[in-house]
Amino acid sequence: EVQLVESGGDLVQPGGSLRLSCAASGFTFSNAWMSWVRQAPGKGLEWVGRIKNKVDGETTDYAAPVKGRFTISRDDSKNTLYLQMNSLKTEDTAVYYCITAPRPGPWGQGTLVTVSS
Amino acid sequence: DIQMTQSPSSLSASVGDRVSITCRASQGISTYLAWFQQKPGKAPKSLIYAASSLQSGVPSQFSGSGSGTDFTLTISSLQPEDFATYYCQQYNSYPYTFGQGTKLEIK
Repeated sequence: EVQLVESGGDLVQPGGSLRLSCAASGFTFSNAWMSWVRQAPGKGLEWVGRIKNKVDGETTDYAAPVKGRFTISRDDSKNTLYLQMNSLKTEDTAVYYCITAPRPGPWGQGTLVTVSS
Repeated sequence: DIQMTQSPSSLSASVGDRVSITCRASQGISTYLAWFQQKPGKAPKSLIYAASSLQSGVPSQFSGSGSGTDFTLTISSLQPEDFATYYCQQYNSYPYTFGQGTKLEIK
């Protein structure tokens, strides 16, 4: 059974940094492309970015609002996906989810990031 | 960026009704379209990928159709647990984009 477990969410001040993790199991993580998606309180879903697998060069793509501030990486030896978030803004406040890409599969429970002073 | 527009934004229906939700892309996306269901306070659930393929474990009352720019999610006979918000997403090109959501409420 595919399982994705996000962690690392916290309260952080504007301008701060945070790293989220997504632990994957139940599928061959090293073969998978992975995305991050977020949802601000009371709002819809927003795609954050995607990383390809090693065979495809671990190429990343990002949504415009986070480009240059967020970095997606992966550790296939740990079956873990990461999202490094720098220069955080109040508008980055959201629940963050990881999901397989491009064809989406099961979702994790998400992790809440709150950016506030 | 490809814009995804869902209609209606909200919908009231009764248990047993057949309902359809439409998703329109601002440019052609072949069949690179997914549908998700989200209940309040819960993570989204994947329902359909490739416009019409059901995810494993999703009840057969759900179906998807369409290609190019126009897509439809149909629930053939509404069950009480189907009242939720539904989102479409294109994954044809970056950035992947979502529709604004359709809230399905009990009449």
